[in-house]
Amino acid sequence: QQPVQSPQAVILREGEDAVINCSSSKALYSVHWYRQKHGEAPVFLMILLKGGEQKGHEKISASFNEKKQQSSLYLTASQLSYSGTYFCGTVGSNQGGKLIFGQGTELSVKP
Amino acid sequence: EPEVTQTPSHQVTQMGQEVILRCVPISNHLYFYWYRQILGQKVEFLVSFYNNEISEKSEIFDDQFSVERPDGSNFTLKIRSTKLEDSAMYFCASSGLGQGAYEQYFGPGTRLTVT
Repeated sequence: QQPVQSPQAVILREGEDAVINCSSSKALYSVHWYRQKHGEAPVFLMILLKGGEQKGHEKISASFNEKKQQSSLYLTASQLSYSGTYFCGTVGSNQGGKLIFGQGTELSVKP
Repeated sequence: EPEVTQTPSHQVTQMGQEVILRCVPISNHLYFYWYRQILGQKVEFLVSFYNNEISEKSEIFDDQFSVERPDGSNFTLKIRSTKLEDSAMYFCASSGLGQGAYEQYFGPGTRLTVT
């Protein structure tokens, strides 16, 4: 069963912050975040393992709430280059490395 | 920086024809994957491959699909008899280790158009 992302789309002005959520109804082993620009391959951002950790990558960070089976991606002080579609991919417990992707969140950053 | 490569970048084929999509994973990676993305939709898992055999496959990966690692570097996806609905972007990915704890690096994709 695929994870559910919210919101479906968001428009920001440069410098604004955004949060993208990813929820699963199944027990998760890990959550992977990717950004995809139009016509390009998904680019890996970060991975979070069960255990409720938080990670950061420049001005992009993420958390994983194991109790809620939910991950959130935080984009702070957004830049034009942040525009794209963000996908979370989840790996369930006992499911090897198979990534099940959410439907994506389209982020547009305007000057 | 090492990267996953895929050929061709675009393949046009007629319905019923066989196609082979090729991938060269990152050299020291052990786990290989194929995903596909129909235009405007999410990325969908097709198959994972480790130690020269399929680890997992999705419902999409039926008898028309097969994967092979013919040598130490290439990883191929074959579609025996293409259908219109096979038109999509196909991504190969590789990972150093498996079990979902390690990042998967995606190749640039092959756009398959079935006419």
